[in-house]
Amino acid sequence: IQLTQSPSSLSASVGDRVTITCRASQGISSYLAWYQQKPGKAPKLLIYAASTLQSGVPSRFSGSGSGTDFTLTISSLQPEDFATYYCQQLNSYPRGLTFGGGTKVEIK
Amino acid sequence: QVQLQQWGAGLLKPSETLSLTCAVYGGSFSGYYWSWIRQPPGKGLEWIGEINHSGSTNYNPSLKSRVTISVDTSKNQFSLKLSSVTAADTAVYYCARGLLGLRAAYYYYMDVWGKGTTVTVSS
Repeated sequence: IQLTQSPSSLSASVGDRVTITCRASQGISSYLAWYQQKPGKAPKLLIYAASTLQSGVPSRFSGSGSGTDFTLTISSLQPEDFATYYCQQLNSYPRGLTFGGGTKVEIK
Repeated sequence: QVQLQQWGAGLLKPSETLSLTCAVYGGSFSGYYWSWIRQPPGKGLEWIGEINHSGSTNYNPSLKSRVTISVDTSKNQFSLKLSSVTAADTAVYYCARGLLGLRAAYYYYMDVWGKGTTVTVSS
């Protein structure tokens, strides 16, 4: 199962609402996780089980979806949110993990 | 607070074996999955494989023939070996802690990550 993120990059301004989509090539029987990665740093978990906010993550981040279509939304983009975002799913058989290709959020 | 500290050789020649170790500090080793993930320069994340505390492993099918992940529970450490490396294996390698849960469906996420080790393969 492949995960396709769209867009692959976007330019936005501080305060904008940003939505990133992750689409599975076929319906998946598991929930997605979302990560944020800044240059030179390890990924940071934002959301798991499609919509559960990881402890310490600002509430402007939210996630939704099931089946084949999942979204990550940033309600009001802040300067520290400029980064690359990845979705990740659990494959049942064979057991393994797949990441989306990433969405780079840049300053307009 | 759980921390992962990773180390290993950063420069390899083609055909050599990559070897990295990740130590878990400040938390339980059992009940979790311990993964290796890599990221080639300028590219996205690729899952390599995982192991649990009892030594059960799962590998990325594209790397399975060259990968071995092992665990030393006495030291709270797990290790990655990748054989016959080529320039295509040049990447930052991360270790991470994974959790598997079940609600209406399974979910899996990695909440603690090592800082990454840059591995370069060059003759």
